[in-house]
Amino acid sequence: GESVGLHLPTLSVQEGDNSIINCAYSNSASDYFIWYKQESGKGPQFIIDIRSNMDKRQGQRVTVLLNKTVKHLSLQIAATQPGDSAVYFCAEKTGGYQKVTFGIGTKLQVIP
Amino acid sequence: EAGVAQSPRYKIIEKRQSVAFWCNPISGHATLYWYQQILGQGPKLLIQFQNNGVVDDSQLPKDRFSAERLKGVDSTLKIQPAKLEDSAVYLCASSAGTLGGEKLFFGSGTQLSVL
Repeated sequence: GESVGLHLPTLSVQEGDNSIINCAYSNSASDYFIWYKQESGKGPQFIIDIRSNMDKRQGQRVTVLLNKTVKHLSLQIAATQPGDSAVYFCAEKTGGYQKVTFGIGTKLQVIP
Repeated sequence: EAGVAQSPRYKIIEKRQSVAFWCNPISGHATLYWYQQILGQGPKLLIQFQNNGVVDDSQLPKDRFSAERLKGVDSTLKIQPAKLEDSAVYLCASSAGTLGGEKLFFGSGTQLSVL
């Protein structure tokens, strides 16, 4: 969905704990979903993706879960590290020409 | 592999002036995107090119914004005249544009301040 507001939701996590970042997407026709990490002063960086014919995908320390019934996406980060502190965005791809729309973002703060 | 290149990195202008941003995508990437990111928000798509053709410009304020992608490679985004609310980071991204190649690669962006 489109971004709204100036105040990003913030998640504070103790170093070493697991983090779960949630995202509600807007279009039931979306067929591909991506999580991006954005550090201050940089462009978004790809983390992990998942297609709509899957409900779970794992990467290195990250797992994405997709629930199409309720249009919900989550990103799980295992053993969160200070370097994981950033803003995390989910994005959805819709349409044959691959329009990619970003969600509002969640700021992850890792407490040492 | 070289990433997406953008310039300038920062730009400060006064309202009603004009400004242009440049983007060089990853070599071979067919799809190029320009996003506007206002502080505290997610990127908002302004325009999307497939090779040198526009496939989506529904959110581009066409009375003041224009973009082109000559020869299907580099792209420029122009604002004329700029308004205060145009202050934002302008991000360029590219993707292979094929099934399995939908991942977007972003540049570092151009931070625009309109005074």
